[in-house]
Amino acid sequence: EPEVTQTPSHQVTQMGQEVILRCVPISNHLYFYWYRQILGQKVEFLVSFYNNEISEKSEIFDDQFSVERPDGSNFTLKIRSTKLEDSAMYFCASIRGQRVIYGYTFGSGTRLTVV
Amino acid sequence: DAKTTQPPSMDCAEGRAANLPCNHSTISGNEYVYWYRQIHSQGPQYIIHGLKNNETNEMASLIITEDRKSSTLILPHATLRDTAVYYCIATKTSYDKVIFGPGTSLSVIP
Repeated sequence: EPEVTQTPSHQVTQMGQEVILRCVPISNHLYFYWYRQILGQKVEFLVSFYNNEISEKSEIFDDQFSVERPDGSNFTLKIRSTKLEDSAMYFCASIRGQRVIYGYTFGSGTRLTVV
Repeated sequence: DAKTTQPPSMDCAEGRAANLPCNHSTISGNEYVYWYRQIHSQGPQYIIHGLKNNETNEMASLIITEDRKSSTLILPHATLRDTAVYYCIATKTSYDKVIFGPGTSLSVIP
């Protein structure tokens, strides 16, 4: 069964450093998403991406965050200057969309620890 | 998207059916009901969705009331691996952003 692949599984970074979280969505999917989950809290929507541009973003997704699909396969989330409160699990998801109706496929996540 | 309401937690004996309710009294005619689950710290997993009719797949069954104001996710023979948080979401299209609420924490007990 096709999977959404996220790397790394765990990243530790110092406050103020830039991090890039990587995702390889399912190859024929058209819509891409990033979510985060702070420990013990609910899964929060960050951003959706379609046709090489952001289609929607949440209040959390401020100027410190950016997303990119640099080639035909990768989908990245960059945090420019990490803060302690950015420590969370980050999940990537994708869906074919359009006339096909089913649910998102999520990756297994990247645990980001900011120290 | 319509607001959904779920009980915060439920227990179920292993091998028995787990029936997870969801209230979506303000759902509109073109909104689907989706169910996802999240097993501890893993990425959420899509389970099933429906519009009007009851649906069944290899994971679960979804029963939607005739007035569409509520639904029930049924895991027919719950196992310990079904212990997870289950989310009920109403949304118009499959590619609309999914907003996760607190969900129902299901504990399957040996």
